[in-house]
Amino acid sequence: AQTVTQSQPEMSVQEAETVTLSCTYDTSESDYYLFWYKQPPSRQMILVIRQEAYKQQNATENRFSVNFQKAAKSFSLKISDSQLGDAAMYFCAYRGTSGTYKYIFGTGTRLKVLA
Amino acid sequence: EPEVTQTPSHQVTQMGQEVILRCVPISNHLYFYWYRQILGQKVEFLVSFYNNEISEKSEIFDDQFSVERPDGSNFTLKIRSTKLEDSAMYFCASRTGQGSSGANVLTFGAGSRLTVL
Repeated sequence: AQTVTQSQPEMSVQEAETVTLSCTYDTSESDYYLFWYKQPPSRQMILVIRQEAYKQQNATENRFSVNFQKAAKSFSLKISDSQLGDAAMYFCAYRGTSGTYKYIFGTGTRLKVLA
Repeated sequence: EPEVTQTPSHQVTQMGQEVILRCVPISNHLYFYWYRQILGQKVEFLVSFYNNEISEKSEIFDDQFSVERPDGSNFTLKIRSTKLEDSAMYFCASRTGQGSSGANVLTFGAGSRLTVL
């Protein structure tokens, strides 16, 4: 069964600095999708960035980028120029393509941004 | 921007009562999901729904749970006889499907907080 692991329960970063959140996953599939979702105090889950496993190029969305290492099954999120509004829970998620519909989420990393 | 709408935002109920949580997915989406999150912890998959039937469900989704799409727009989650441990935030999510941009991106609603006393 696929699993998603986020080993950092909590991270802190100074405003304007860069932080990297880690995510590893376990799968036997070769084609799948990976996501980072942000959950602010309002609790709504908001997509930050996504990566298709067949794409070698790392996805970027403005200040957010990923380091996708397929062989190592690693999918880290880098947030550059951190802002106070980035403070939230961040969840890594996986979706396979072999007969499953569900998205598997990690346990989350709480990011604190220090002024 | 299109959004997934959930009602109620918060419901308090007595143990043993039936609860229905409602969701209006984005109109052109074809796949629908319910997830739950207990006290800001892990986001747990409950069920997925496609083509008017359950496509996949978790061990959590036992006989006390049911889903339906009664009128082609609403997507409901019913808990027949609530237990204390059903207290959680319930999230509805939807996605478009194959062959479209962002087809695999789940869009979530704001959640329904269920408190069972």
